[in-house]
Amino acid sequence: DQQVKQNSPSLSVQEGRISILNCDYTNSMFDYFLWYKKYPAEGPTFLISISSIKDKNEDGRFTVFLNKSAKHLSLHIVPSQPGDSAVYFCAATSEGYGNKLVFGAGTILRVKS
Amino acid sequence: DAGVTQSPTHLIKTRGQQVTLRCSPKSGHDTVSWYQQALGQGPQFIFQYYEEEERQRGNFPDRFSGHQFPNYSSELNVNALLLGDSALYLCASSSGRIETQYFGPGTRLLVL
Repeated sequence: DQQVKQNSPSLSVQEGRISILNCDYTNSMFDYFLWYKKYPAEGPTFLISISSIKDKNEDGRFTVFLNKSAKHLSLHIVPSQPGDSAVYFCAATSEGYGNKLVFGAGTILRVKS
Repeated sequence: DAGVTQSPTHLIKTRGQQVTLRCSPKSGHDTVSWYQQALGQGPQFIFQYYEEEERQRGNFPDRFSGHQFPNYSSELNVNALLLGDSALYLCASSSGRIETQYFGPGTRLLVL
């Protein structure tokens, strides 16, 4: 039972354009969401997070949007840079879930120069 | 600061064997979590250790066990290895907020 789904296995974007990565969840208990970036041979690194009391959080080129009614969140990267090419994981958690992270399967982002 | 370190980086075992993976947390971190990442999937939570005790556990059988030492380092033990245990095993350390969780590079286990 996949509680967090990233339905796009890969995404290819031109440098300077916007990258939009999507994530859906099914468990209504989740109230905190995080995005991680992973380069080959490295562990995932935290990128940005959002609490369910917000619908948007911005950090530089990265913005996460949360639509609670649709149980959907998205990560926007503007402008995309070649160094953004990596695997992006969406993760969800809540205190009621013991703060365990539940990850999606990831989306491979390729930014072409 | 070396961050989170894991050893070994790669390991090959055969079915039925036992394996021990090791993790040293980032300096100042007291909580260690272990994840299994199978090919093409996201990391899956195994368990979390804090103050040398298992605090949380994911949906993994008892063949998976762990330990945390007084210096906060941790071990993951897997008994009676199955082919399906082949995966990247990630260790993450944190202190307080979940955003502070740092992942190590992982140990890639291949079970033949």
